[in-house]
Amino acid sequence: EVQLLESGGALVQPGGPLRLSCAASGFTFGNYAMTWVRQAPGKGLEWVSCIIGSGDTTYYADSVKGRFTISRDNSKNTLYLQMNSLRAEDTAIYYCAKGGTTAYSILDYWGQGTRVAVSS
Amino acid sequence: EIVLTQSPVTLSVSPGERAALSCRASQSVSSYLAWYQQKPGQAPRLLIYDASNRATGIPARFSGSGSGTDFTLTISSLEPEDFAVYYCQQRRTWPITFGQGTRLEIK
Repeated sequence: EVQLLESGGALVQPGGPLRLSCAASGFTFGNYAMTWVRQAPGKGLEWVSCIIGSGDTTYYADSVKGRFTISRDNSKNTLYLQMNSLRAEDTAIYYCAKGGTTAYSILDYWGQGTRVAVSS
Repeated sequence: EIVLTQSPVTLSVSPGERAALSCRASQSVSSYLAWYQQKPGQAPRLLIYDASNRATGIPARFSGSGSGTDFTLTISSLEPEDFAVYYCQQRRTWPITFGQGTRLEIK
């Protein structure tokens, strides 16, 4: 059974850093692209970032480019999102999602999300 | 960036009736269109991928159609657990984008 468990969400001050993690199980982690999607309170879904299985290639939404860094440790079956220079508009639930073998793939399994609140 | 516009924003339907949700793309996405269901307090769940393929475990009452710029998610006979928010998503072109969602509510 595929399971994705996010952690690391917190209340953080504007301009501060935060690192999210997503622990994966139930599939061969290193074979699949992984994606972060976020949802601001009461709003829709926003794709944030994606990393292919090998970790060699990453993609970012313009809204987070230069501030967020996606990475993965295939030996630990874990996905990360390092978020720097956080802004109020980054406040959201952050979901990790399993993709396919390419970056342009469907998101077939999702974690339950971790909450990030950016406020002074 | 491809913009996906979903309509209606809210759809009120009685249990047992049929619901049709629309997703229109600002340019062709071929068949690279997926539908997700999200219930309150839960993560999204993949329903349909590549316009018309049901994901694993999705009941047959859910079906998808369309190609190019116009897509439809149809629920043939609504069950109580189907009342939720539905999002479409395209993966044809970077960046991947979602529609704003359609809320399906009980009439």
